[in-house]
Amino acid sequence: KNEVEQSPQNLTAQEGEFITINCSYSVGISALHWLQQHPGGGIVSLFMLSSGKKKHGRLIATINIQEKHSSLHITASHPRDSAVYICAGYGGATNKLIFGTGTLLAVQP
Amino acid sequence: DGGITQSPKYLFRKEGQNVTLSCEQNLNHDAMYWYRQDPGQGLRLIYYSQIVNDFQKGDIAEGYSVSREKKESFPLTVTSAQKNPTAFYLCASSTYSGGYTFGSGTRLTVV
Repeated sequence: KNEVEQSPQNLTAQEGEFITINCSYSVGISALHWLQQHPGGGIVSLFMLSSGKKKHGRLIATINIQEKHSSLHITASHPRDSAVYICAGYGGATNKLIFGTGTLLAVQP
Repeated sequence: DGGITQSPKYLFRKEGQNVTLSCEQNLNHDAMYWYRQDPGQGLRLIYYSQIVNDFQKGDIAEGYSVSREKKESFPLTVTSAQKNPTAFYLCASSTYSGGYTFGSGTRLTVV
């Protein structure tokens, strides 16, 4: 069983919609990364958070330590937001990331 | 600007050949990683290095080898022993506080 679970696996939205991607993780993960991967491209780190909430432009990431749950929100979605979004848990003892399988987001104009 | 450079972007290999993927970083990060990505799967760790001249096997190290002679460089060799090498390979580096930077990847195809 993967220690990091993401949902949904696929998501289609209309331009302008508010989008939420969810991530649940297991015990022992001390921080959560949200990553973005465009088709055929490398990975960009969007957020790293261990508590609370972070915001960058139209992207918002939240984490609930007690529930071991994190969400990535995209406000006023745009077709250029179409990408794979990956949640990754950081296991502090080994400095290694444990990756979810990703959410493929398609924003249609 | 600091970052990670992976080369080449696309690589074709004949069966039975070894190939080496390059990864260079100028972020002064101590830790570096190689991941493999297959369609529909999460990234899997091949090898990682937390300090120069030392590296550890990840979850899928068989058929791969690495070296870490310099802090800036962490090349990955895909050997002929790797049964299914066609994949997308990502290099990353990190700080001790867990901040990661990823390269743009190398797509390896066996022909």
